[in-house]
Amino acid sequence: IAGITQAPTSQILAAGRRMTLRCTQDMRHNAMYWYRQDLGLGLRLIHYSNTAGTTGKGEVPDGYSVSRANTDDFPLTLASAVPSQTSVYFCASSDSVAEENQPQHFGDGTRLSIL
Amino acid sequence: AQSVTQPDIHITVSEGASLELRCNYSYGATPYLFWYVQSPGQGLQLLLKYFSGDTLVQGIKGFEAEFKRSQSSFNLRKPSVHWSDAAEYFCAVGARGNAGKSTFGDGTTLTVKP
Repeated sequence: IAGITQAPTSQILAAGRRMTLRCTQDMRHNAMYWYRQDLGLGLRLIHYSNTAGTTGKGEVPDGYSVSRANTDDFPLTLASAVPSQTSVYFCASSDSVAEENQPQHFGDGTRLSIL
Repeated sequence: AQSVTQPDIHITVSEGASLELRCNYSYGATPYLFWYVQSPGQGLQLLLKYFSGDTLVQGIKGFEAEFKRSQSSFNLRKPSVHWSDAAEYFCAVGARGNAGKSTFGDGTTLTVKP
């Protein structure tokens, strides 16, 4: 079934550790996104990528990094996790190019707890 | 900058009753508008979208939404709610030239009473 796969589905992590959340899509979408979802704050964009080889900062990029080596993969890395990064992380993709704005397809999320 | 407001944090309706979820947006030009639904433990799923043309758009699961430029609104409606509609609903606005980046509202949680 075509879509977005996120891994792991959940993780408990000690503060200060490095963690990479994986995201893979098989729809050949050019744009990909990482959001965090926190109670009462909705969805906040962390980083995005309009096409392979390019990335951009979203609303809350600090403490996170991304890379886009190819079309399908868009990993999110926490270099040194802190408790405030406890959240549910969603990866999304869309078939959007410069002037268009297509809807986004979402993965099922990664539930991350930083202790 | 674009923004979205969903005034209702939580709505409770009886099964079979009609539903309207409110969404107000702020954007200088014609926006791209979306409604998504999120069931517990899952990601967001697109219900419907408005890009241009007919201001009343039909979506999946019997939902519809109406774009009203004069009110900067894009309210979601369903004539008869089913228990399976209980979920969280997000309105989102996208901007032309913004390559797919959407701004999401904080969501409205829908509870359906039997």
